Amino acid sequence: EVQLLESGGGLVQPGGSLRLSCAASGFTFSSYAMSWVRQAPGKGLEWVSGISPGGGSTYYADSVKGRFTISRDNSKNTLCLQMNSLRAEDTAVYYCAKDRVAGTLFAASDMWGQGTMVTVSS
Amino acid sequence: DIQMTQSPSTLSASVGDRVTITCRASQSVSSWLAWYQQKPGKAPKLLIYKASSLESGVPSRFSGSGSGTEFTLTVSSLQPDDFATYYCQQYNSYSPGLTFGGGTKVEIK
Repeated sequence: EVQLLESGGGLVQPGGSLRLSCAASGFTFSSYAMSWVRQAPGKGLEWVSGISPGGGSTYYADSVKGRFTISRDNSKNTLCLQMNSLRAEDTAVYYCAKDRVAGTLFAASDMWGQGTMVTVSS
Repeated sequence: DIQMTQSPSTLSASVGDRVTITCRASQSVSSWLAWYQQKPGKAPKLLIYKASSLESGVPSRFSGSGSGTEFTLTVSSLQPDDFATYYCQQYNSYSPGLTFGGGTKVEIK
């Protein structure tokens, strides 16, 4: 069974840092591009960052560029999002998502984790 | 940057109604468009990919059409389980993001 399990969310002060992880199982993790998508309370979905299957290519939304870093460890089937210089507007549920098609860079996301909540507040 | 605009933002409908949601892209995304359904407190669920391909396990009452800059999601006969929020997403390019539309909430009339 394909499963994505996020962890690492919590309450952090503005300007602080947090590292999110997503443990993947049930599929060949190293073959799929992965994404982080967030949803602020009561708002719509916002794509945050994406990474190629091998990890060599990374992409960011303008709203997080220079503050967030996406990475993956294919030996541990783990996706990460390092979030620095956090702001109140980064408060959201963060989902990791798996691309539908192996080996491609751009695809719809066919599997999502349950999400982890990040709250940025003093 | 590619902007995705969905309409309407809210839609009131009854069980059995035919429902259509529109998604417009600010520039062509070819057929690289997906539709998702999200229920409160849950992760999104993929319904349609490549504009018109039905994801495995999704009921056939859902269908997608369009290409270029204009797309539609149609539910042929709305069921109680279909009351949810629907999002489109382009994945033509990182423009710089795989942008989502603002969402359409389908409510009970």
